[in-house]
Amino acid sequence: DAGVIQSPRHEVTEMGQEVTLRCKPISGHNSLFWYRQTMMRGLELLIYFNNNVPIDDSGMPEDRFSAKMPNASFSTLKIQPSEPRDSAVYFCASSLAGPAGRNTEAFFGQGTRLTVV
Amino acid sequence: DQQVKQNSPSLSVQEGRISILNCDYTNSMFDYFLWYKKYPAEGPTFLISISSIKDKNEDGRFTVFLNKSAKHLSLHIVPSQPGDSAVYFCAARYPNAGNMLTFGGGTRLMVKP
Repeated sequence: DAGVIQSPRHEVTEMGQEVTLRCKPISGHNSLFWYRQTMMRGLELLIYFNNNVPIDDSGMPEDRFSAKMPNASFSTLKIQPSEPRDSAVYFCASSLAGPAGRNTEAFFGQGTRLTVV
Repeated sequence: DQQVKQNSPSLSVQEGRISILNCDYTNSMFDYFLWYKKYPAEGPTFLISISSIKDKNEDGRFTVFLNKSAKHLSLHIVPSQPGDSAVYFCAARYPNAGNMLTFGGGTRLMVKP
C-alpha cells in the first residue's frame, strides 16, 4: 500500500484565496483525521471522520475551514478565504477503528505545507 | 488547556547513551498512549504504544513506561543512535473514540555521534 497520500505537498497562496487540500487514506481504513502543525500549538486535531461521517469537528478553528469526505477513499480540507495565520503544515491520517484487537494506530501522510502571503 | 504536555522542547544525547523523553497528561480517561517519531518534511510515524492497564512495553531499543498515578509516561531509547534524531510526539487516546489522538507539543531529540 502506498500509505496516506496528500496533495499538494506545498501550497503558496495569497490572502483571501480559496485553498483545497486533498487526502487519500489507506485502503480499508475507516477513520480519517485532519491535523494541523504549527510552532505555537504543535499537532492539533481539526476534524475526525468515521465511515465517511464527521464525528468531531470541534478543532476546526473557524467557519472559514470546512472538510468533506464524499467516499471512503477521498477527503478534502478547504479554507475560504485563507489568511496568513493559516500558514502551517496540514496532515491527514487514517486508521482502522474496530472492535478490541482490531484497531490500528493512525498512519500519517507526508503533509501539505501551506503558506498564505 | 493542553491535556498532553511534553515540557522539554529539545534533548541532546551522546550516541550510545540512553535518551529519556517525558510526557505528562491530565485526563485520567485516556486508555491508550502512543509515541510517534517525525523527521523533517515527513509525516509522523508510529513508534510504540502502551495500554493504560500496563506499566511497561518494550520493543527493541525502545521502551515506554507508564505511571498512571503520576499521569506520566516516558520513552527510553537505549542505545541512542544518530538516526534517532527526530521530533518525538507523545499522544493519548480516549476510549471509544476511534483512534482520535491528542498530541503533546513534541520533543526534538538530537543524538550526537
